[in-house]
Amino acid sequence: AQTVTQSQPEMSVQEAETVTLSCTYDTSESNYYLFWYKQPPSRQMILVIRQEAYKQQNATENRFSVNFQKAAKSFSLKISDSQLGDTAMYFCAFMKRGSGGGADGLTFGKGTHLIIQP
Amino acid sequence: EAGVAQSPRYKIIEKRQSVAFWCNPISGHATLYWYQQILGQGPKLLIQFQNNGVVDDSQLPKDRFSAERLKGVDSTLKIQPAKLEDSAVYLCASSLVTAPSANYGYTFGSGTRLTVV
Repeated sequence: AQTVTQSQPEMSVQEAETVTLSCTYDTSESNYYLFWYKQPPSRQMILVIRQEAYKQQNATENRFSVNFQKAAKSFSLKISDSQLGDTAMYFCAFMKRGSGGGADGLTFGKGTHLIIQP
Repeated sequence: EAGVAQSPRYKIIEKRQSVAFWCNPISGHATLYWYQQILGQGPKLLIQFQNNGVVDDSQLPKDRFSAERLKGVDSTLKIQPAKLEDSAVYLCASSLVTAPSANYGYTFGSGTRLTVV
């Protein structure tokens, strides 16, 4: 079984600053995906960014980027030029690559509540 | 494209009562998931269907929880009888079987918030 740990229950930064959310995971799988999801008060989980474990290059999506350290089993999220709309819960998630086709269930961390101050 | 639909949005019941949640996945998504999200925690997978067959139900408390996905489309999750610790948000998600490079189209609904009193 795999575990995902987010050690920062809450973080607060000023608008336009850069913030980094931490995530570590433990697994014996060699083929897997890692994700960061955003959950606003509406409760819907929104995909922010994904990383395939076999890719060495860190994923980037506009203001969002990750620092993926496979040997250290670390997967942090950096948000640049933070905006008020970034305020939400952020969850790190793990998914092993399914052998029979299709996506497996996700294993989530406990989340980090990110607050962007005006 | 319509998203994953869930109902009801909120439900309050007394302990020992029964309750059911409904989920309609995105059209064409063969895989459907139910997650339980207790306050202050990340979602936990309860059950995964592919079409109308169960792929993984290892974390489903089968003495009180049941789920079905008739005809491989809509799904219902039931709790009978409910306990106080079942208070949580129940999220439904769906995904494609193919296209691993595109996150399989994994999409979540907005969930049902259950309060057991």
